[in-house]
Amino acid sequence: AQRVTQPEKLLSVFKGAPVELKCNYSYSGSPELFWYVQYSRQRLQLLLRHISRESIKGFTADLNKGETSFHLKKPFAQEEDSAMYYCALWMDSSYKLIFGSGTRLLVRP
Amino acid sequence: ETGVTQSPTHLIKTRGQQVTLRCSSQSGHNTVSWYQQALGQGPQFIFQYYREEENGRGNFPPRFSGLQFPNYSSELNVNALELDDSALYLCASSPPKQGIFYNEQFFGPGTRLTVL
Repeated sequence: AQRVTQPEKLLSVFKGAPVELKCNYSYSGSPELFWYVQYSRQRLQLLLRHISRESIKGFTADLNKGETSFHLKKPFAQEEDSAMYYCALWMDSSYKLIFGSGTRLLVRP
Repeated sequence: ETGVTQSPTHLIKTRGQQVTLRCSSQSGHNTVSWYQQALGQGPQFIFQYYREEENGRGNFPPRFSGLQFPNYSSELNVNALELDDSALYLCASSPPKQGIFYNEQFFGPGTRLTVL
């Protein structure tokens, strides 16, 4: 069955420390993966998508098909990065976007 | 450009009642998706509407139904409410599809439904 797993509910780091939010997926087809972010009192918004292979707000994510992972990384965390992060898998065959349970990133000063 | 709007913001119902939630899509968007987000969980896909027809459905019972109107706005109806239906309901709209890849969905602020 298709599934997105985010093993950490909370990740707490100090400002300037590296960040890695883990995401693993299960999907038999060709995956299209995303990271969504929700800042406090804001709506859910797309952060980045794997096919773009771009860096957004210093974040990058590489799709590793061998390990079925799509971890989100940032070398130096900032306080404004504190938010809820969701990994998501798009299933084009059924128009479903499947979300993981989310990881709360807390960046302390 | 107006973003996705949802109404009402909050709603309290009792078990067995019926509820209708509303969503106005972003200007230029013709596809609307609905999600249920229980506390501490990620959003779960309920269904998607395109050209006024259901275009994909998640693992939700038939008492979850929807409509899309000619102006692309949408309603989510839930009959025979159960306690477990208490959640944040999110609506997301997306522009006309181009190609085979994912069309970015733009989310509304959600409607918080409490079932007592």
